[in-house]
Amino acid sequence: NAGVTQTPKFRILKIGQSMTLQCTQDMNHNYMYWYRQDPGMGLKLIYYSVGAGITDKGEVPNGYNVSRSTTEDFPLRLELAAPSQTSVYFCASSYLRGPNEQFFGPGTRLTVL
Amino acid sequence: QQQVKQSPQSLIVQKGGISIINCAYENTAFDYFPWYQQFPGKGPALLIAIRPDVSEKKEGRFTISFNKSAKQFSLHIMDSQPGDSATYFCAATKSGSARQLTFGSGTQLTVLP
Repeated sequence: NAGVTQTPKFRILKIGQSMTLQCTQDMNHNYMYWYRQDPGMGLKLIYYSVGAGITDKGEVPNGYNVSRSTTEDFPLRLELAAPSQTSVYFCASSYLRGPNEQFFGPGTRLTVL
Repeated sequence: QQQVKQSPQSLIVQKGGISIINCAYENTAFDYFPWYQQFPGKGPALLIAIRPDVSEKKEGRFTISFNKSAKQFSLHIMDSQPGDSATYFCAATKSGSARQLTFGSGTQLTVLP
């Protein structure tokens, strides 16, 4: 199993541009999550999904959108990128049942200039 | 509102020493407290976790101590090794809402050889 994979690894955007961060998991997990990690701030939840077709907002959803058309994929869309969205983005997934061990991808480092 | 407070922000320990990281939470509905370990350039990975019905959990050199009345828990790393150098995050979660994790701000641990 590849686990959770994310693309791209790095990206530089100009202010106002848009992009999609890709996330795929091959563990047949129901739950998927998007976090952003800023220095000294821990990880903040952006959006999460409990299954295909079902998504909900986390703590910091403004400026982002998500979709979940399949169990495996959970892309994160940035519209009109802003410098405040410069961050490292992590996708994670977990089983439906149990205490919830979240498995994280390797992250995407995004810089908005 | 930061629901999980973590300290210290950084910690330097000599090889063979004990590393101690502390966390405090506010929400009494939390019922599962994991610790994640993150190496540079990687996503976080579950290290050890505890439920509030026990006061201590040990896995190898890693121990969680839990004080429910004080709403505090801590990670102890015994016989710290240079390979333990990483960022450590405490977290908390509760049932419902896809068991979202609320993370502490992280502790950067450096173990000197």
